[in-house]
Amino acid sequence: EVQLVESGGGLVKPGGSLRLSCAASGFTFSTYTMTWVRQAPGKGLEWVSSISSWNTYIYYADSVKGRFTISRDNAKNLLYLQMDSLRAEDTSLYYCAKAACNSGSCYSTYWGQGTLVTVSS
Amino acid sequence: DIQMTQSPSSLSASVGDRVTITCRASQSISRWLAWYQQKPGKAPKFLIYEASSLESGVPSRFSGSGSGTQFTLTISSLQPDDFATYYCQQYNSYFPTFGQGTKVEIK
Repeated sequence: EVQLVESGGGLVKPGGSLRLSCAASGFTFSTYTMTWVRQAPGKGLEWVSSISSWNTYIYYADSVKGRFTISRDNAKNLLYLQMDSLRAEDTSLYYCAKAACNSGSCYSTYWGQGTLVTVSS
Repeated sequence: DIQMTQSPSSLSASVGDRVTITCRASQSISRWLAWYQQKPGKAPKFLIYEASSLESGVPSRFSGSGSGTQFTLTISSLQPDDFATYYCQQYNSYFPTFGQGTKVEIK
């Protein structure tokens, strides 16, 4: 059974940093593109970033480019999102998701339960 | 970026009703469209890919159609478990985008 468990969320001040983790199990992690998608309270879904199986390609939404860094450790079945220079508008529930792709563009086939990031002074 | 617009934003329907949700792309995305269902307090659930291909285990009352810029998600006979918010997502570009969601409520 596929399992994705996010952690690392919390309350942080504007300008601060957080690192989110996603522990994957139940599938061959190293062969899948992984994504981060976020959802602000009461709002819709927003794609944040994707990373291919062996880091061949990495993409970011314009809203986080230059501030967030996605990475993975295939030996440990872990996905990460390093978030720097956080802003109030980054406040969201952050989901990690297992992806299926068409020539580098992907949709999310299985989602974790999310970890909440709150940016506030 | 490719913009995705869903309509309606919300709808009220009864159990047994046929429900159709529309998703429009700001430019052609061929058939590279996915649909998700999200219930309150839960993670999204993947339903459909490539506009009309049903994910394994998704009830056959769900169907998708369309290509280019116009797509639909249809629930042929609404069930109590189907009351949720539905999102479309394009994956024609390296930067996926979602529609704003359609909330299906009980009439």
